[in-house]
Parts: sequence; structure tokens; C-alpha cells
Amino acid sequence: DIQMTQSPSSLSASVGDRVTITCRASQGISNYLAWFQQKPGKAPKSLIYDASSLQSGVPSKFSGSASGTDFTLTISSLQPEDFATYYCQQYYTYPITFGQGTRLEIK
Amino acid sequence: EVQLVESGGGLVQPGGSLRLSCAASEFTFSSYWMTWVRQAPGKGLEWVANINQDGSEKNYVDSVKGRFTISRDNAKNSLSLQMNSLRVEDTAVFYCARARYPYAATGDYWGQGTLVTVSS
Repeated sequence: DIQMTQSPSSLSASVGDRVTITCRASQGISNYLAWFQQKPGKAPKSLIYDASSLQSGVPSKFSGSASGTDFTLTISSLQPEDFATYYCQQYYTYPITFGQGTRLEIK
Repeated sequence: EVQLVESGGGLVQPGGSLRLSCAASEFTFSSYWMTWVRQAPGKGLEWVANINQDGSEKNYVDSVKGRFTISRDNAKNSLSLQMNSLRVEDTAVFYCARARYPYAATGDYWGQGTLVTVSS
């Protein structure tokens, strides 16, 4: 199985900050990488697919990039509604796997 | 707006069975792969299974193979997950998700989830 390792596991930041979350795949997955945002008690919400394509309706403050087996999600100008848990997911091969999540908290 | 509404969750004893349903609307259901993802309390997301447009191809995570069966009824715009031989470790919120076209397993729209609790 492909292991997806996110870092950091948790992150404290302030409103207005720019943050980056990293996801490393244990083997090559091309660009078959998605990012999701989840708030407590809610379903995950799609943000990014194909490593860098923005889901329709998602603000451009969210961006994704890829370099080999390393993937990053960048959120610029944090707002209160951005504080949530973020997950990466590879859909290159079965079983489909997620990262363990990164909890973004308000400092 | 795409809508996915799960139902069928509840409390079941270990070894028991439960059938989850997902009612889809506001999109052409028969044109998309569909998937189930679960989340144990306080834990991360785990992909469970997916099914192609006509139900001829199904994939499962190893931990549910032989116990869970995914199916769909395109005439009723409905996705199902039959869960047998349930274990305590199957306790989770189960989400159905539409797979992003043309892909098979990454969801672009998700339902609100239904809670399955396996306990004696």
C-alpha cells in the first residue's frame, strides 16, 4: 500500500498568516493527489485535485504543488473559517489512501 | 447542486449486519463512479470501496473484503453498502462520495455521513 505522510500533524497560525502543509507519498503517484478540508462534525470538502487543480468554487487562496513524491498545500491569508483539519489522498492505485491529517489551529 | 444523503446507520452488535444507502440527486448518477469513505471516532479518513458506473467493477480495502458489498441502482439513483460480520473496529461515520470525473476514487461531492456503531 502507498503510505501518505503529512507534516506537520498540527499547526498553530494566526489570522492573516500563510501556511504550508506537506504530504509525502511512499512511492510515485504521478499527480494523482487531492486535498480535503474537514471541519468538526462535517463532511470533508474537496479543495484541490490532480495535485494543483482548484475545485470549482474554492477560493484561490488555496493552492497545491508537486515535486516528485512531495506535495504541498498552501493557504494564504488565513481567515477564521480556514481553521480545520486537512487531508491529502492519493488516487493513483488501490487501495486509495489518505494522509493522517493536519490540524490547523488558531494561535 | 449535487446532493448525497446517507441513511441506514445505527447501533449493531458485533457479528451483525447493516445496510447503508446513499440517495443521489441533481446529477446524472449513472455517469459517475461512486465511493464510500469512513472515519472512526476521532480518527482520519479511510477509503472503503468504490463501484463503477454500471456496477461491473468494484474495489474494496482489504479490511472489509468478503464482509462488505457495494452496489448501486441507477434507476433509483441509489448507492448501497451491505455490511456483514461487523466488528467493533468498523465503528465509524460512513460517507458516500461522488468520484470526480473521469476518476474512480477521489470524491468531489460528499454526503453528510451516517454513523455506524458496533458494540455489545
